Amino acid sequence: DTGVSQNPRHKITKRGQNVTFRCDPISEHNRLYWYRQTLGQGPEFLTYFQNEAQLEKSRLLSDRFSAERPKGSFSTLEIQRTEQGDSAMYLCASSSGTGSLQTQYFGPGTRLLVL
Amino acid sequence: GESVGLHLPTLSVQEGDNSIINCAYSNSASDYFIWYKQESGKGPQFIIDIRSNMDKRQGQRVTVLLNKTVKHLSLQIAATQPGDSAVYFCAEIPGGYNKLIFGAGTRLAVHP
Repeated sequence: DTGVSQNPRHKITKRGQNVTFRCDPISEHNRLYWYRQTLGQGPEFLTYFQNEAQLEKSRLLSDRFSAERPKGSFSTLEIQRTEQGDSAMYLCASSSGTGSLQTQYFGPGTRLLVL
Repeated sequence: GESVGLHLPTLSVQEGDNSIINCAYSNSASDYFIWYKQESGKGPQFIIDIRSNMDKRQGQRVTVLLNKTVKHLSLQIAATQPGDSAVYFCAEIPGGYNKLIFGAGTRLAVHP
C-alpha cells in the first residue's frame, strides 16, 4: 500500500503523560499536514511542512505540541503533558507540488484518548 | 468503532436513487474545493475536486457543482449504493494558503 500511514492507530494515555505519533506520507510527496478531528466535527488544520521546513502553525497548536519532519520524509507530532481536551483523532495528509491547488491525501489517523 | 459525525445532519436515500449533498463555504477568496468521504474509524478519502474557474466537474458516478455567487458547493452521487454510506465533508483552500478548511459534514445513509 503506497498511501499515507500513521502509527499508532490508537493511543490511550493518562493525563500529564507525553505522546508521540508518526506519519509516513505518500512517497515523493513534499508536503505534509497535520489535522485534528473531534467527534462530530470536520478536521481542523494544525501545521504543515514543505520538505523539512515547517511553514505554518495554527493557533490550535499550543506550546505543548511540537511537530518535526527532520529529513523531509516522515513526520512526528508530540504532545507534552497531555490534557483530557487533547483527546481527538490526529490526521496526517500529504500532497505533491509547490502551488496551493493540490489534493491532500489523508492517512487513517491516530485516535488519542487521554484519561 | 467510534462514529464520525454523531450529531451531523443526515441525508437518507434509497439504494439506486441519486443523492445531493450541499455545502456552504465561507471564503469568497477560496480557489480550490474538495469533497471527502469519511467512514467510521478511517481518515477522509478524496472523492472529487474543482477549481474556482469551473462550475461543474464530473467523475465516476459523482458530479460537483460550484456556485461562486452564493458560495455554494454540491456533490451529486448517481445510483447511490450501500457502500456510499459515510460522512461527507466539503473543504476549501483559501487563495494563498495551503490548509484545508472543512465544512460541517453530512451523514449519508443508504437504505436497501
